[in-house]
Amino acid sequence: SAVISQKPSRDICQRGTSLTIQCQVDSQVTMMFWYRQQPGQSLTLIATANQGSEATYESGFVIDKFPISRPNLTFSTLTVSNMSPEDSSIYLCSVSRGGTEAFFGQGTRLTVV
Amino acid sequence: LAKTTQPISMDSYEGQEVNITCSHNNIATNDYITWYQQFPSQGPRFIIQGYKTKVTNEVASLFIPADRKSSTLSLPRVSLSDTAVYYCLVLPYNNDMRFGAGTRLTVKP
Repeated sequence: SAVISQKPSRDICQRGTSLTIQCQVDSQVTMMFWYRQQPGQSLTLIATANQGSEATYESGFVIDKFPISRPNLTFSTLTVSNMSPEDSSIYLCSVSRGGTEAFFGQGTRLTVV
Repeated sequence: LAKTTQPISMDSYEGQEVNITCSHNNIATNDYITWYQQFPSQGPRFIIQGYKTKVTNEVASLFIPADRKSSTLSLPRVSLSDTAVYYCLVLPYNNDMRFGAGTRLTVKP
């Protein structure tokens, strides 16, 4: 298993500002994923952040809006840039050591006002 | 990735067995079938994974017919705490995990 600490757990931000979400894992993992989940909806994959390579973004998500860092095998950050109310959502970090089992953080509940 | 179809919602009562079926007609040879559970305000949690036939663990059973075009997650004797959203994923090993709509299970007293 893997224990994931995600910070902050929630935040209220002004439009036009940026928020950086941190994801810390208690052990080294190769694959890390960032998701967005609107209330009552399913998870949408934003990007895959594997250590040693640039993040790979899904259609509809761009690096300028959601820059991701992956400096080592236990840590990653996702920044939500130039926020608007449409960015209000829950952002989730996930890790996998391969296979089809992934572990998720508790999420960051972001509200943009 | 194989497209999955599962019921949007299901209701059950405490103590009953619940079966959630997922259709995946275009499953590929190297795809595995995986189920996740998500409680409100939490990230999804891995439940079970299988390739063919039947898999059982302490939480659930997964039934996969020979053609692998569908799968059924079976939850024995559900309790109120099993109320959650259940996601069926079909994907090869080491692949990006994309979630479908899921099935919202409500267990009533």
